[in-house]
Amino acid sequence: QVQLVQSGAEVKKPGSSVKVSCKASGGTFSSYTISWVRQAPGQGLEWMGRIIPILGIANYAQKFQGRVTITADKSTSTAYMELSSLRSEDTAVYYCAREEVFGVVYSYFDPWGQGTLVTVSS
Amino acid sequence: SSELTQDPAVSVALGQTVRITCQGDSLRSYYASWYQQKPGQAPVLVIYGKNNRPSGIPDRFSGSSSGNTASLTITGAQAEDEADYYCNSRDSSGNHEGVFGGGTKLTVL
Repeated sequence: QVQLVQSGAEVKKPGSSVKVSCKASGGTFSSYTISWVRQAPGQGLEWMGRIIPILGIANYAQKFQGRVTITADKSTSTAYMELSSLRSEDTAVYYCAREEVFGVVYSYFDPWGQGTLVTVSS
Repeated sequence: SSELTQDPAVSVALGQTVRITCQGDSLRSYYASWYQQKPGQAPVLVIYGKNNRPSGIPDRFSGSSSGNTASLTITGAQAEDEADYYCNSRDSSGNHEGVFGGGTKLTVL
């Protein structure tokens, strides 16, 4: 059974960066795809990007291009999401999730990490 | 990237059937997945692919698709089904970006 455990809450100043971790247990980490999804207070879910650890390849939502970096450390089965140039609108809960992909037919996110609250405030 | 459109809110009487819909061009070629989210909790997968339920999801949850519309049906809604529901797909761009619907708040009366 795959489990994803995320790092704790963060408070950051505008203009700074935050790096959230997502440690996996169970299964074979290198064969996963890990996606990051965020949810601003009272808002919906927003996909940010994904990484395929076995390939070391990441791709990002256009909205976050240039500001987000997703990496993975296979030796510790941990994925990371770093968001830079933080602004108040980045205040949100950030989730990691394993993404299962079935060709070009369907994909899904399961399981999810518990979420990490990032608060951006001066 | 493409968009997925959901009704913001839907209500259902206890024990009745409710359908939550999700519309978007990408759904013509890509099955939606559906997530249930209760306050303060992470989303939980309830339906994926053509109509697949993960282990532990009650069989009152089912999915279907027609044209550009995906649907999540709850047959015999229970009080514990009151939650926000999100659909997800990938857009049709070469980047294969994930995209979520805006969410539907389900109230069980």
